[in-house]
Parts: sequence; C-alpha cells; structure tokens
Amino acid sequence: QVQLMQSGAEVKKPGASVKVSCKASGYTFTSYDMNWVRQATGQGLEWMGWMNPNSGNTGYAQKFQGRVTMTRNTSISTAYMELSSLRSEDTAVYYCARRLQVSVAGLRKYYYCMDVWGQGTTVTVSS
Amino acid sequence: EIVLTQSPGTLSLSPGERATLSCRASQSVSSAYLAWYQQKPGQAPRLLIYGASSRATGIPDRFSGSGSGTDFTLTISRLEPEDFAVYYCQQYGSSPSRFTFGPGTKVDIK
Repeated sequence: QVQLMQSGAEVKKPGASVKVSCKASGYTFTSYDMNWVRQATGQGLEWMGWMNPNSGNTGYAQKFQGRVTMTRNTSISTAYMELSSLRSEDTAVYYCARRLQVSVAGLRKYYYCMDVWGQGTTVTVSS
Repeated sequence: EIVLTQSPGTLSLSPGERATLSCRASQSVSSAYLAWYQQKPGQAPRLLIYGASSRATGIPDRFSGSGSGTDFTLTISRLEPEDFAVYYCQQYGSSPSRFTFGPGTKVDIK
C-alpha cells in the first residue's frame, strides 16, 4: 500500500541542524510532489515547503527561506528536509505529505492538497 | 496572504447529530484550492475533501463539502464515534506561504 515512513525522533540543541527523512513506498516516488508540514504541540498545521522529486525543484514558505533545504535520493525513494539554526520554537512534529493527483478520464489532474502523510517525526530543540 | 478563520472553535455534539463547520477566507479562494482534513490525537492529518466538495478516496459519504469565494462548509451528516476529532481547512494561494491552514475546529462529544 502507499506509505510514507519517516525517521525517528530527534533532540537537538539550539543552533544545530536536523535532517528528517521520508521513505516512500507503494507508488512511483518521482511522480508526486512532496510537501513538508509541521505542528507544534497543541497547535495548528504550518506548511514549510514542497519539492518535485523528479526535477529536484523546490519552493519554500517565506518564513523558512534560508533555513530549510529539501532534497531527495530517487534511488531509494526518499525525501529529506533539513532545518538549520534551530531554536526552541522549532520544537514540533514534522510531517512529509504527498500532493494529491486524481486520474480523470485517463488524464492526471493535480490538486493543491495532500493525500498521503507520513507518521510524523518529533523534533525537540532544547539546551 | 490569505488568512483562514474557522468557526466555531469547538463544537460539542452527540453521536448521530449533524455537524456544520465553517471556514472563511480573508480573500476569495478558488474552490479548486480548498481542502479539509481530519486529525485525531497522535495521528497525522487525513484528507477528507479536496476541490471544496470532492471526497477523497475512502471517505464516507456522511462527509460533504460546499462553498465558494470566501465561505466554505464541511458537513458531517450524522456523527459517528470515530468522527470526534479536529478539522482543518486548507487553501493554496500565492506567497509568502502558498499553503495555509485554518486554526481548526474541534468536534467533541457532548
């Protein structure tokens, strides 16, 4: 079945970087854009950016520009999100999420929402 | 930047009742770019509705979405025990953050 499996929890000190992985299975990894969304404890959802796994093209939310890097390794169907210069406010659960595509009369239609999500990776930033 | 507001913040209902959740945008949003998610504690969000009114794969028909412009609604026709959760609307637009989520509506058991 279609699945996104993320790496385990991380504890980092302020100023450090964290790299979270997201391994895709059950579908063609390079055919679907990948997004990253985070959620602080008890808070709402915050979109961080997207990546096209085929081309490697990326787009980041302005808030994270300069601090986030999204990459991929197509040989192992894995996407990565690296966040640098960590601060306590970055403590959150980080999700990878696949962009929705729908087949209509044999044609692919792309929607700007996310239909498959990883299980989440808890990142704790603490001195 | 388009801001999404959801109301009410909390909706207390009993199983079998109808739930009506509102999502209002600060500017007009294309219906094609409006989605709804359900999230239960300790779980990732689950896509319910895309394109404002299309149900995602496997979503029961008691969930329906409607609306256009700045006002969108998620309706759960008859609440099942597993429907008590937090619901988020989401839109896609221009920078600075192309995807934005509403603050969520919690549906809890009365």
